[in-house]
Amino acid sequence: DAGVTQSPTHLIKTRGQQVTLRCSPKSGHDTVSWYQQALGQGPQFIFQYYEEEERQRGNFPDRFSGHQFPNYSSELNVNALLLGDSALYLCASSLVQGSSPLHFGNGTRLTVT
Amino acid sequence: SQQGEEDPQALSIQEGENATMNCSYKTSINNLQWYRQNSGRGLVHLILIRSNEREKHSGRLRVTLDTSKKSSSLLITASRAADTASYFCATLSGGGADGLTFGKGTHLIIQP
Repeated sequence: DAGVTQSPTHLIKTRGQQVTLRCSPKSGHDTVSWYQQALGQGPQFIFQYYEEEERQRGNFPDRFSGHQFPNYSSELNVNALLLGDSALYLCASSLVQGSSPLHFGNGTRLTVT
Repeated sequence: SQQGEEDPQALSIQEGENATMNCSYKTSINNLQWYRQNSGRGLVHLILIRSNEREKHSGRLRVTLDTSKKSSSLLITASRAADTASYFCATLSGGGADGLTFGKGTHLIIQP
């Protein structure tokens, strides 16, 4: 039973560029959430997708956008990259029920130079 | 913004000893969860405790929750070298659509 998979594992981009990160949820899960984790910090909630719609968003600008596909996989897009966007981006899947624990992928390490 | 604050920020103990980590939070919660993270990899869910529960056990893990003090503790008994990791508490304040709010974590080192 495959867990949450993310691609790519590492990425280096230049300030001002755009990036797309991908996530496949754990089998049987229908909800995908994205988190940003800066070095030495805890993860911060970006947004959550269910039924191809964004259900909730954390305190992130519109440069951060996402998409969920009919097969429940998801993409995170970041436009106009800033140096401060350098972080580990974590995808987590769960069931839509409110107290369902999150299953995390191993993340994409994004470095903006 | 971070809701939970773990204490201590770092903890180093000998293998076989017990490790206790504390978490404080600011607003009312639906539930509180603990996660483990190894070396910048993905987080692994350890245990979930609901706001109407006071204590929960899972293997060598014991979690307590005091909603009046807005605090929780995670106890790992009989620690092993493999327990070396960062531990985060995370709170869910609203419904299922709301994201978890994580603290900054406690880095636990188990000395062999």
